[in-house]
Amino acid sequence: DAKTTQPPSMDCAEGRAANLPCNHSTISGNEYVYWYRQIHSQGPQYIIHGLKNNETNEMASLIITEDRKSSTLILPHATLRDTAVYYCIVRVAGETSGSRLTFGEGTQLTVNP
Amino acid sequence: EAQVTQNPRYLITVTGKKLTVTCSQNMNHEYMSWYRQDPGLGLRQIYYSMNVEVTDKGDVPEGYKVSRKEKRNFPLILESPSPNQTSLYFCASSPIGRVSYGYTFGSGTRLTVV
Repeated sequence: DAKTTQPPSMDCAEGRAANLPCNHSTISGNEYVYWYRQIHSQGPQYIIHGLKNNETNEMASLIITEDRKSSTLILPHATLRDTAVYYCIVRVAGETSGSRLTFGEGTQLTVNP
Repeated sequence: EAQVTQNPRYLITVTGKKLTVTCSQNMNHEYMSWYRQDPGLGLRQIYYSMNVEVTDKGDVPEGYKVSRKEKRNFPLILESPSPNQTSLYFCASSPIGRVSYGYTFGSGTRLTVV
């Protein structure tokens, strides 16, 4: 799986958009970008994933650059409950061998009142 | 509700006393896995299973055993726990063979070995 690079921490004001960047310059053509978050020692929670097109769901939007070497997770209206560590992971979706999620250090997002 | 259920949530035990942490999922997922999380080391995979009776080692399998006799259950067994196995443990499950919606994680088991 390709390695990812994320800033260790970010701050965001409540109600504003939180934009979390991720670099994955060695991503392969069949690897997807996944985002998870972990709220204070709870189990990681899946947020969104994408291959090359931008994706949106009820939680967030995922913007992937055309060369696929980086992406941005957007929380459009951050709330205090979005304070968490956010992990960007790249892996082959649906692979049938060694399906391991490799978590890096992630980005600690703090949403301030 | 689709979920992964781990038990117990908290456990304090003594060195050498065998214990089992249970994990059960109700989503008919083929893939299940155990992770441990330690400060500064992140989440590391212990064991995983691609389906019933198919298990394999992850990154840190020493001191752990698993079994997958039924699709829904994937218990983690510590035959002789040691203090370095004090950690936060997570079970996860996922479908295989198609683009999935990601892994579903349990709420975690905080284990302390004294």
